[in-house]
Order: sequence, then structure tokens, then C-alpha cells
Amino acid sequence: DGGITQSPKYLFRKEGQNVTLSCEQNLNHDAMYWYRQDPGQGLRLIYYSQIVNDFQKGDIAEGYSVSREKKESFPLTVTSAQKNPTAFYLCASRTQGAWTDTQYFGPGTRLTVL
Amino acid sequence: RKEVEQDPGPFNVPEGATVAFNCTYSNSASQSFFWYRQDCRKEPKLLMSVYSSGNEDGRFTAQLNRASQYISLLIRDSKLSDSATYLCAVNVPYLYASGGSYIPTFGRGTSLIVHP
Repeated sequence: DGGITQSPKYLFRKEGQNVTLSCEQNLNHDAMYWYRQDPGQGLRLIYYSQIVNDFQKGDIAEGYSVSREKKESFPLTVTSAQKNPTAFYLCASRTQGAWTDTQYFGPGTRLTVL
Repeated sequence: RKEVEQDPGPFNVPEGATVAFNCTYSNSASQSFFWYRQDCRKEPKLLMSVYSSGNEDGRFTAQLNRASQYISLLIRDSKLSDSATYLCAVNVPYLYASGGSYIPTFGRGTSLIVHP
């Protein structure tokens, strides 16, 4: 089945640790996105990538890093510099050919800092 | 001012009621508009795109008003299963050093509770 997978589903981190969230898609989409969602809040853009080996900061990129070495993969690293990382992290992708194209989301990763 | 704004609700309605949500956007250059449904602790799923002429899908009707910069979602004959959070998304132009793109930007969502 085509889709977006994220792993792990739940992740616990100790303060001061870096953690990496996985996002893989087999939809052949060019563009991929990372969002963060806090309780009762909408989705805030962390990073996005239009094409392999290129990515741009979103509204809340501080304390996060990404890479886009393959079209299928867009991992997000939450670094120790992120002061309040406990949140629901959503990865999304879409084709880049038309700005009308729909975004599709992965099932998300819940990160909790202990 | 936030790019995309929604009334968070909750909207608490009985089964069979008609309920409407609005979503305003601030950037007049925005293109493409969508409504997503998000169930508790799940990812958002596309409910419908919003076209300039308005569009309908069963009990759901979406409208776009470019002059006033808002989109709306109307749900008729509400079902218990419609209880969820409804997020609007707007493709907002983002500019960066080497170019630009339209990036889906979300409102905080409107909570709908349909009761028997």
C-alpha cells in the first residue's frame, strides 16, 4: 500500500538527549513537511523540503534539524536545544507539480520528555 | 495576526443539527484551500478541497469567499460520528533565498461534539 510511515509511534527522551524521528513515503512525492502539534493547537511548520538535498526552515525551526538525502525519507532530529519538545509530530508529503495538490499525513510520533 | 484563524469551539450540537464553521486567512495571495478532519490523537485526514465556486460532498458543503478572505464548512444532518476537530488549511506563499513555494498552513481547529 502507498502511504507515509512514521516511527516510532511513541518516544520518550531524557532532557539533554537528541532524538531522531523517522518519516518515509512511497507515494513518489517531491515535497515533504514536518509539523508540530501541541494540545488544542493547530499544526506549526518546522521544516519543509521541496526536493532531494534541499530543505527550508519553517516557523519554528529552532532546536530541530532535518536531512533529505533520499526522495522517500525526511528524518527530523529534535536536539537538546529545543526547550519544550514534548508534542505530537506529524510528517506530510505532496506532489510538487501543482500548488493545488493535497497533503497526506503520516500517523505521527508522540514525543515526551522525561 | 495569525495567518489562518478558526474559532476553537467546542461546538456542541444535537444529532440532526446543521452546523457551520468559518476560517479566515490573512494573506490575499493564498492559493488552494482545504478542510481536514482530525480525530483524537490521530493524524489529520482530508475532508474536502474548497473550490471558488463552492462544492458539496454529501452532507458537507464548502465555500470560499476571496473578497472577505474566509472559507466555510457546513455540515447538515449531523451524526454522532461527525464528532472531531475540523482544521482548515490554506496554501500560503513562502519566500526564501533561492525561491518560493506555497506551503499548507493550518488553523488551530474547531472542535465539534455531536450528542444524542
